[in-house]
Order: sequence, then structure tokens, then C-alpha cells
Amino acid sequence: QSALTQPRSVSGSPGQSVTISCTGTSSDVGGYIYVSWYQQYPGKAPKLMIYDVSKRPSGVPDRFSGSKSGNTASLTISGLQAEDEADYYCCSYAGSSTLVFGGGTKLTVL
Amino acid sequence: EVQLVESGGGLVQPGGSLRLSCAASGFTFSSYWMSWVRQAPGKGLEWVANIKQDGSEKYYVDSVKGRFTISRDNAKNSLYLQMDSLRAEDTAVYYCARDGRPAANTHFQHWGQGTLVTVSS
Repeated sequence: QSALTQPRSVSGSPGQSVTISCTGTSSDVGGYIYVSWYQQYPGKAPKLMIYDVSKRPSGVPDRFSGSKSGNTASLTISGLQAEDEADYYCCSYAGSSTLVFGGGTKLTVL
Repeated sequence: EVQLVESGGGLVQPGGSLRLSCAASGFTFSSYWMSWVRQAPGKGLEWVANIKQDGSEKYYVDSVKGRFTISRDNAKNSLYLQMDSLRAEDTAVYYCARDGRPAANTHFQHWGQGTLVTVSS
């Protein structure tokens, strides 16, 4: 049950694209299609942005996209906007009905 | 509209106990896995425990096994977390969360507002 590895911070200018990586193992990220991503503002509950690696819930802008290759999943935010500045967490199914989160990434919009 | 409302948080001494509750509404509670996720101050999210629709299966993160017990009452649309032998490192905001699909246990589409548990003498 080790946490998934995310960069502590990323940054980008408005209009640019940024990608946040999430590295696990073959027992979690690499072994299942159940990777999800969450956006969290300070003092607020997390919000689901991506599930099943690349699916977007209703209402999430298509600027947000997800992908996976081997043991690493990625969240890409294109056309960066000031409102995208937040913390982002990945999460993966880890077998035996358990789940594991990444350590979180702080996105700064310059 | 799906609503999850946690309660029961507060200040407790190390070694003490606390019972969290989550009142669910707006969906068929008995059709969904339910989970507790916590977040220590200034730290990341951590999945704590989950429970199957009928309560027949329960799973925990290693750090709380033997100390925390998750349960549910489908007649009352409620989820619980009994926390015993609390430690300072259990200090966190505890969220109740629900998957996006019935009978699935793969992500968290709906979250409560959280309840703060502080373990300190």
C-alpha cells in the first residue's frame, strides 16, 4: 500500500499545456484500468476530474484528459486557465478491493 | 442530488475513541460501495477503508487495521467509522465518499464536506 508517486509541483502559463505524472507499480496503476484524478482547492473537498484512466465525468471541461502507459498515468490540462490552479491527486485501484492515492501535485498558473 | 454529510469529528486524546457518521441521500444507498478517505493537515489524500453494499466485505489501509471499523446501516442510509486507539497521526479531515457506479469500487465521484478529527492531549 505505498502511495503513488507524483511531482510535488508543476507550473505553466495561461493557454499552455501541463502534464502531471503518476507512477505506481504493476500491482496498481499498471495492472488495472481504474486510474482516477481529483482536483482540490484549499479547504474544499476533492472533485473527480478523470476516471477509468481517460473518461471525463459530465461537466468536466475537455481541456482535461488522461492517459496511461505501463505503470505511469498522466493528467494533461490544455489551454491552462487561472482557475486550474489547485492540487491534483491521482488514485488507482490496487487489488483486493483497496485503492491508493498519489502524494499530490500543486499546479501553479503563472 | 447526491448528498453525503459527515459528523462526529472533534478533539480526542491519544488512545481514545471516536465514531464518525455519514448520512447519505439522493441515491439508493444499498447499491453502492462506500469509503472513508482522510487528509492530514497540509498533506495528501489517503484511502482509509471501504465496505461493500451489503456490508459483507470490508477493507482497510494497513495503518488502521485492528483499530478502525467501518460499518453501514442501509435502513438508515448511513455509513460509520469507529476509530479506537487513536494516535496523533490519525489527525485529519475524514471524508465519506461514493463510487460513480453501483456495485463498483474504482473511484470516488461523490464526496462529503469532511469532518475534522484532532488527536491531541
